[in-house]
Amino acid sequence: DVKVTQSSRYLVKRTGEKVFLECVQDMDHENMFWYRQDPGLGLRLIYFSYDVKMKEKGDIPEGYSVSREKKERFSLILESASTNQTSMYLCASSPPGGGYTFGSGTRLTVV
Amino acid sequence: GESVGLHLPTLSVQEGDNSIINCAYSNSASDYFIWYKQESGKGPQFIIDIRSNMDKRQGQRVTVLLNKTVKHLSLQIAATQPGDSAVYFCAETPTHNYGQNFVFGPGTRLSVLP
Repeated sequence: DVKVTQSSRYLVKRTGEKVFLECVQDMDHENMFWYRQDPGLGLRLIYFSYDVKMKEKGDIPEGYSVSREKKERFSLILESASTNQTSMYLCASSPPGGGYTFGSGTRLTVV
Repeated sequence: GESVGLHLPTLSVQEGDNSIINCAYSNSASDYFIWYKQESGKGPQFIIDIRSNMDKRQGQRVTVLLNKTVKHLSLQIAATQPGDSAVYFCAETPTHNYGQNFVFGPGTRLSVLP
């Protein structure tokens, strides 16, 4: 089974901090994605990547950046955390033309 | 666990009954659809998928129906069990050769009553 691992289940950060959310998948998937999930708003795509060193903006990229230096790892970076970035962050990976496998999520609270 | 969605539509069913969860999609170019289940405190898990060349697909206790004419997708769960309590999302995408971005529905919370 594909495993997508997010490094932290819960994080608490201060406003203005730089935050790194790490995601690793172990099945050699080309595609990786970062979503945030908020009550009433559902899943919203932040960034995605179809290959190493490749990244594309999703629907809500403002305030975020990503890094994909290795195929198995896709990092989400909050350059200067703000309280409106308090959310559940979900990482997913997929093969070309296939469905997503999600990680367990990281619940980030910015205070 | 965290709250997946405070304002989700909710479906309550008796244990043992069948459940039907519905989803409308908007992109007529979408040709690949997935149902996900998300339990409290966990990431979404794949349940079943269907491509647009099919109208129906069955899995273990689950059936997905696709009506392309009215852009409607449904998930049927037979003999619903307490472990089926979760939020269910449909996801749609037009398939590309190398990758795809799924668009997720708002989700439906299924509550199974004893």
